[in-house]
Amino acid sequence: KNQVEQSPQSLIILEGKNCTLQCNYTVSPFSNLRWYKQDTGRGPVSLTIMTFSENTKSNGRYTATLDADTKQSSLHITASQLSDSASYICVVSVPPNTDKLIFGTGTRLQVFP
Amino acid sequence: GAGVSQTPSNKVTEKGKYVELRCDPISGHTALYWYRQSLGQGPEFLIYFQGTGAADDSGLPNDRFFAVRPEGSVSTLKIQRTERGDSAVYLCASSFTFYNEQFFGPGTRLTVL
Repeated sequence: KNQVEQSPQSLIILEGKNCTLQCNYTVSPFSNLRWYKQDTGRGPVSLTIMTFSENTKSNGRYTATLDADTKQSSLHITASQLSDSASYICVVSVPPNTDKLIFGTGTRLQVFP
Repeated sequence: GAGVSQTPSNKVTEKGKYVELRCDPISGHTALYWYRQSLGQGPEFLIYFQGTGAADDSGLPNDRFFAVRPEGSVSTLKIQRTERGDSAVYLCASSFTFYNEQFFGPGTRLTVL
């Protein structure tokens, strides 16, 4: 069983619509939870970083939430754009000696006009 | 202001050969990480350097894999006796120090025939 699971595996939406991606994790303890965007053929780019004490973090049209009690996080994308088409990866950072990242398998989002 | 760079961008080799993958981190970043990303999967941690030393190499799959960072800047991931299962994108990331945001390079796509 993966320590970081994401759903859905893939998602297709129309431009301008909103969507929410889910992440469930079993990693404990952890220092922070991150959402990354990865375009095809590129390295991941950080969208949000939340510590276990934070409930929500926004970055433009991206809003991440975290419930440390249920070990769930979500990434909400508002007013989607064609450029949002990418994989979105939930990542948990493991303390204490290194900032080792445990990646989920990602949600592949496709935004169509 | 260059980001993390990796060379080559693509490497095709034959089974049993030796390969070296290079990572140039962002100037001033003391922490450097190597990850491996198989098709349709999230990146998997391989090794983490703090300065010149490997602080955590627990992700290296076996002794065919080795990485160095002799001067605390550029790092080389070395794979001996390559196998078809080694085919993946190898990502490098750097951060100012551990617990800071990691910035990823574009990756090297390794194909073992």
